[in-house]
Amino acid sequence: QVQLVQSGAEVKKPGASVKVSCKASGHSFTDYDFSWVRQATGQGLEWMGWMNSYSGNTGYAQKFQGRVTITWDTSISTAYMELDTLTSDDTAVYYCARGLGFGQLGFDLWGQGTLVTVSS
Amino acid sequence: SDELTQPPSVSVSPGQTARITCSGDALPRHYAYWYQQKPGQAPVLVIYKDNERPSGIPERFSGSSSGTTVTLTISGVQAEDEADYHCQSADSSGTRVFGRGTKLTVL
Repeated sequence: QVQLVQSGAEVKKPGASVKVSCKASGHSFTDYDFSWVRQATGQGLEWMGWMNSYSGNTGYAQKFQGRVTITWDTSISTAYMELDTLTSDDTAVYYCARGLGFGQLGFDLWGQGTLVTVSS
Repeated sequence: SDELTQPPSVSVSPGQTARITCSGDALPRHYAYWYQQKPGQAPVLVIYKDNERPSGIPERFSGSSSGTTVTLTISGVQAEDEADYHCQSADSSGTRVFGRGTKLTVL
């Protein structure tokens, strides 16, 4: 089954870091790029960054530059997103999403989402 | 502006046609994508490359583009179409960007 399965919910204190995983199955991990998108409660979607394991490239939205790191482990078809120096504004559901490929901007497959709660 | 602007809400009666717009200065240079999101669920792609429909998406969903505005049209709206709809494209630097979403209410 073609799917992206993310790690479970996290509760973090302000100033801490969080690392969310996204395991791809049913398709070749290196054939696609993957992005991370977050959504605060009642808000819209916000693109954070992307990675491509075949090219080794990553890119980040300017808003998150220096605070987010996207990595991966090709051997287990898993992407990771680590966000540092958390504040309450980072409380959101974090999604990984598979790029459509062929230079397209859109996403055809999404993970189930991981709720990250930042609270003292 | 690099932002994508959507109306916060659109309401339509069952069987009618819903049109959701998305405006942005970079839209003439980049394709637009539309996602449907129901409460508690991940987004689902319903339109890609302005007007292409993925397999499995009903024919009542269509997309169009004109200048700096793209439009998602849902013909013969059904109760199950009630959801949030998000447009996505790129800004002037080519960075992916989303609109703030439109809540479609089926009256």
